[in-house]
This record gives sequence, C-alpha cells and structure tokens, in this order.
Amino acid sequence: AQSVAQPEDQVNVAEGNPLTVKCTYSVSGNPYLFWYVQYPNRGLQFLLKYITGDNLVKGSYGFEAEFNKSQTSFHLKKPSALVSDSALYFCAVRPTRDSGSARQLTFGSGTQLTVLP
Amino acid sequence: DAMVIQNPRYQVTQFGKPVTLSCSQTLNHNVMYWYQQKSSQAPKLLFHYYDKDFNNEADTPDNFQSRRPNTSFCFLDIRSPGLGDAAMYLCATSRPGGSDYSNQPQHFGDGTRLSIL
Repeated sequence: AQSVAQPEDQVNVAEGNPLTVKCTYSVSGNPYLFWYVQYPNRGLQFLLKYITGDNLVKGSYGFEAEFNKSQTSFHLKKPSALVSDSALYFCAVRPTRDSGSARQLTFGSGTQLTVLP
Repeated sequence: DAMVIQNPRYQVTQFGKPVTLSCSQTLNHNVMYWYQQKSSQAPKLLFHYYDKDFNNEADTPDNFQSRRPNTSFCFLDIRSPGLGDAAMYLCATSRPGGSDYSNQPQHFGDGTRLSIL
C-alpha cells in the first residue's frame, strides 16, 4: 500500500523568504504526485502534479515542486512567501496504472504553513 | 464559472436520524468522489463513481451510502449518524484522462460540515 509522510505539522516563515514544505512517499512502482492547499472552511485546491518527465514541476500561485526519485521526495517550494500563502498543505500520491496496487489517492497528514508579516 | 457545489455548507442532525448531503458539478466530469475529513486531518476517501460505476472503499462503514442519478449530481446518505460521523464531507470530481484517471487532479467543493446532536 502507498503512503505519504509530511514530517512537519507546522512551518513558519517570514514574508518574502523562501518556503519549503516537505513530502516523502512510498509506493509500488512509479508515482503520480500532487500538492493541494486548503484554506479554512474551504475545499482542497489543486496546486501542481508530477506525472512524468521534468523533475521540476511549476504550479499555481508561484509554487513549484521537485520530484526526487532516489530520495522518494516531492517537496513544495516557493521563492518568496506571501502572508496569503498561509494555509494547510497536503501532499498526495497515487500509483500509476501499471503498478497493480490500489489506485486510491493517498494524502499526507498535512502541514500548516504560517507566513509571518 | 464551472465548479463543484455542495449543499448545505453546514448541516446539523440528531443522533441516529438519517441525513443526505448533496453535490453538484458543472464541469461535466465523469468521476465523482466523496471524502470525510476530521479536524484538519487528511481527507479519507469513502467511495467514488466512474460514470455510474460505483467503487466503495473497503473500510467505508455500511452506514454510508451514495447515489448518482446523473452526471451532475451525487448524494451521500448517512443512514444512522453517530457522534463519530461528525466531520467535514468533501465532494470532488475529475476528468477521465483517457484510460487512466489516476493522473487527473481532483476539483473539490467547499464541503459540508456535519454536526451530530
């Protein structure tokens, strides 16, 4: 079965500084990887995904993530944080079609990002 | 704007009294999902539809049922809600993505927060 680890429950960063939200995964075969953001009392919003190809993926609102197969990681990054980026961030993994594993989307436990003015 | 709409946003019911949550979409997506999310934890998939093909997760309690009368609408029925069923319920949709819909991002509604008295 697949799993996702987000080792930090909380990340604090000053506005204008770069931010990183960490994610590692475990899956049989090749993964599809996703980042979602959730604001209070709202649904999840899709930020970006890795399917195949270039390891650096660019997404919405200036976010990007780097797929590292050897480290089984998919960390979310942004060069300059905004106060409005403060939210709950979820990493998610799904095995590819050929893996033979259950193909449910598995979410990490979430990381609360707080950007301080 | 095309979107996923959940009604009501807040629902209060009594212990043991059946309740139905609704979800509609204007995205014309084939796949619809129901998730349960407790206290900013990771969303937990209850079931999903690919068109009318219903896929139940193995650990979804029998107390939870779903109906999808057409492409646009999907309902979550909780037959006898217990205190442990108090949560945010999220509906999501995705495109088929050809033969493999695993790599398609999911589009979430803003959820229905269910309280049990």
